[in-house]
Amino acid sequence: AQSVTQPDIHITVSEGASLELRCNYSYGATPYLFWYVQSPGQGLQLLLKYFSGDTLVQGIKGFEAEFKRSQSSFNLRKPSVHWSDAAEYFCAGKDSSYKLIFGSGTRLLVRP
Amino acid sequence: EPEVTQTPSHQVTQMGQEVILRCVPISNHLYFYWYRQILGQKVEFLVSFYNNEISEKSEIFDDQFSVERPDGSNFTLKIRSTKLEDSAMYFCASSRPDKNTEAFFGQGTRLTVV
Repeated sequence: AQSVTQPDIHITVSEGASLELRCNYSYGATPYLFWYVQSPGQGLQLLLKYFSGDTLVQGIKGFEAEFKRSQSSFNLRKPSVHWSDAAEYFCAGKDSSYKLIFGSGTRLLVRP
Repeated sequence: EPEVTQTPSHQVTQMGQEVILRCVPISNHLYFYWYRQILGQKVEFLVSFYNNEISEKSEIFDDQFSVERPDGSNFTLKIRSTKLEDSAMYFCASSRPDKNTEAFFGQGTRLTVV
């Protein structure tokens, strides 16, 4: 069955430190992949997306993600975290249907 | 920038009552969705809607749920007889009909069933 897995429930980093949030997918073929961010009490904002082509994709707020087919991964990275990045991050995928399958989310805490 | 809007932001209802959650998708989008997120859990797909009919639904979307596009702008989710376990954040989303496009989400409606 199709699935998206985020192995880390919580991650804490210091402000200014680098960040990597892990995401693995299980699909029959390469899915379309997304990262969304949800701030407390807010909706889901798209950070970036991968459809095809260049495996390193740039998003908003200084985030990037790298698609690695060999590892079935689409990890989200940021070189220097800001306190305002504290939020919940969701990886999601979809195949030829329009349905998004979300991972369980990773809550990012930022230490001052 | 166009956005998906949802009303109300919060809804409290008694068990057994009917609720209607409302959404205004982005105007040139043709695919519409409802997702829900039970507190502390992942976001789950409920239903997708295209060309005035359901195109896909999950096992969660049983006979208690229905969707409608009553006019050219609104997209609604009705829960016929709410249960305690329907308490969740409900997100509406919309997208263009292309496969390689993203869904844009509204801010959500927090539904509390008491």
